[in-house]
Amino acid sequence: AQTVTQSQPEMSVQEAETVTLSCTYDTSESDYYLFWYKQPPSRQMILVIRQEAYKQQNATENRFSVNFQKAAKSFSLKISDSQLGDAAMYFCAYRSAGGANSKLTFGKGITLSVRP
Amino acid sequence: DTEVTQTPKHLVMGMTNKKSLKCEQHMGHRAMYWYKQKAKKPPELMFVYSYEKLSINESVPSRFSPECPNSSLLNLHLHALQPEDSALYLCASSQEGRYSYEQYFGPGTRLTVT
Repeated sequence: AQTVTQSQPEMSVQEAETVTLSCTYDTSESDYYLFWYKQPPSRQMILVIRQEAYKQQNATENRFSVNFQKAAKSFSLKISDSQLGDAAMYFCAYRSAGGANSKLTFGKGITLSVRP
Repeated sequence: DTEVTQTPKHLVMGMTNKKSLKCEQHMGHRAMYWYKQKAKKPPELMFVYSYEKLSINESVPSRFSPECPNSSLLNLHLHALQPEDSALYLCASSQEGRYSYEQYFGPGTRLTVT
C-alpha cells in the first residue's frame, strides 16, 4: 500500500517570504500522480498543483512550484512571495494511474500560517 | 466550469432523524466520491461511484446509504446516525479512465449529530 508522510504539523512564514512544505511517499508503482491540495479554514479544498511521475520537469503554477525527486520519493511544495491568503492546511496526496478506483492517499496535512 | 456544489452547507440532526446530503457537478465527470473529514485531519474515502455504479464502499456503516441517480448527481442518505458521525462530508468528482487523476472537491456539508 502507498503511504504519504508529512512530518511537519505546522509551519509559519512571513508575508512576502518563501516557504517550503515537505512531503515524502512510498510506492512500488511506476505510474502515479502527486498533488498538493489547499484547504483554508472552513473553506473548500482546492487543487494547488499536480505532478505526473513520468515527467521529469517540476510543475509550477504561478507562485507555487514543486521539487519532485522521484528516486528519493520526495515531493515538496515551494510557495514564493507568501500572501495572507495562503494561510491554510495543505495536504500532499498520491494517486495511482488507473481510474476512479485508484484511491487518493493523503498525508496528515500541515497547517501553514502567514505572519503579516 | 470546475464546480462541485453541495447542499446543505450545514445540517444538524438528531440520532433518530433521516436526512440526505446532495452533490452536483456539471463537468461531465463519470466518477464521484464521498469523503468524511474530521477537523485537522485528511479526508477519508467512504464511497466511489463510477459510471453511476457503486465501485468502492470503504466498509462504511449501513446508516450511510449512497445513491447516484444520474451522472451529475450524488446523494448520501443518513439514518440513525451517532454523535461520532459529526464531521465535514465532502463530495468530489473526476473524469474516469486511466488518466483521470484530478479530483475536484465541493465545499462540503458540515454535519452535527445531536
